[in-house]
Amino acid sequence: DAGVIQSPRHEVTEMGQEVTLRCKPISGHDYLFWYRQTMMRGLELLIYFNNNVPIDDSGMPEDRFSAKMPNASFSTLKIQPSEPRDSAVYFCASGIQGGAETQYFGPGTRLLVL
Amino acid sequence: AQKITQTQPGMFVQEKEAVTLDCTYDTSDPSYGLFWYKQPSSGEMIFLIYQGSYDQQNATEGRYSLNFQKARKSANLVISASQLGDSAMYFCAMRAPQGGSEKLVFGKGTKLTVNP
Repeated sequence: DAGVIQSPRHEVTEMGQEVTLRCKPISGHDYLFWYRQTMMRGLELLIYFNNNVPIDDSGMPEDRFSAKMPNASFSTLKIQPSEPRDSAVYFCASGIQGGAETQYFGPGTRLLVL
Repeated sequence: AQKITQTQPGMFVQEKEAVTLDCTYDTSDPSYGLFWYKQPSSGEMIFLIYQGSYDQQNATEGRYSLNFQKARKSANLVISASQLGDSAMYFCAMRAPQGGSEKLVFGKGTKLTVNP
């Protein structure tokens, strides 16, 4: 089975540009999570979906961030306009509901905003 | 509020020895799950072990075991017979589905270095 797939793996962009991160969850998983990892704040949840519906977006920093899940096999996280403080590693994870079921993480996208 | 505390920013251990990484948690939810993840320098997050709040026995997975002390709200990871490849960041996380949330709350992590 393929794991969670994220693209691009690395992104360098200039302040003010739009950035789109992509994620393909593991087939059959009905939960999809977007996390951000920085040295200062550690790993923090941005948003998660259940059956393609956003459930908790309380971690989304501000209106510049938006996430969509148009179908069970694809999600995007968009930053528009990007700022240097958005530089971080963005992880997508997928899983199934609750209990001992863990979340499986993708390899991450390392974003650098200049 | 849910919180995970990892008090050891860095730990060192000799190859083949055992090491314990500390994790304490705080939640008012009676039902919760505790997870440990490993993040090597390559950056990926690797799931290691899970402990449920109602599990009677401590979880074990190969060389990993979880020392779960519910009254103390601690969930320490024990790695036996350390290997050089165990050098990595280790994160403790909790899922406490208050209000139905499935999100994981992570600690700040502990950087483990295994010396030859």
